[in-house]
Amino acid sequence: AQSVTQLDSQVPVFEEAPVELRCNYSSSVSVYLFWYVQYPNQGLQLLLKYLSGSTLVESINGFEAEFNKSQTSFHLRKPSVHISDTAEYFCAVREKNTGFQKLVFGTGTRLLVSP
Amino acid sequence: DTAVSQTPKYLVTQMGNDKSIKCEQNLGHDTMYWYKQDSKKFLKIMFSYNNKELIINETVPNRFSPKSPDKAHLNLHINSLELGDSAVYFCASSQEGLPYEQYFGPGTRLTVT
Repeated sequence: AQSVTQLDSQVPVFEEAPVELRCNYSSSVSVYLFWYVQYPNQGLQLLLKYLSGSTLVESINGFEAEFNKSQTSFHLRKPSVHISDTAEYFCAVREKNTGFQKLVFGTGTRLLVSP
Repeated sequence: DTAVSQTPKYLVTQMGNDKSIKCEQNLGHDTMYWYKQDSKKFLKIMFSYNNKELIINETVPNRFSPKSPDKAHLNLHINSLELGDSAVYFCASSQEGLPYEQYFGPGTRLTVT
């Protein structure tokens, strides 16, 4: 069974500073990888995903993540954060097996951006 | 238009009561889910339905009973509520197949006193 580890439960950062949120996964088969964001008192929204092809994927609001198969990682980065990026970020993995597969989430990382 | 909606948004009730949460999606998706998010924000799948058929049933107490009357609706009924059931319950939907994106509802915050 697959699992996801987000080692940092909280990452405080100042506005306009760069940030990296770490995600490592474990699976015996190939996987699809996702980052979801949850703003306060809201549901989750997909931020970006890796399905195949280029290992570097980007979101429309400046985040990017790189799939590293050898290190089984999918870290999320942004070169300059805004106050509005304050939210909970979840890494998730889905195995590429045939049939229906569930999405397994990490425990989340709270990004706190201060002025 | 709200893609995935849940009612109620807040639910406060006493131990031992029975309550239901409703979910509707207008995205035309064939798969719907219930997730539980605990106080530490950990998100875990409870159930999933594909074309009204139960396909995922995690180790959830049988006090929880999902029901999907059609592809656009997935309800969750909880019997004999316990303190440990307090959490935020999220409904989600997706279309099975690539790109496997799930769309989440706003959540229902259940508080059992």
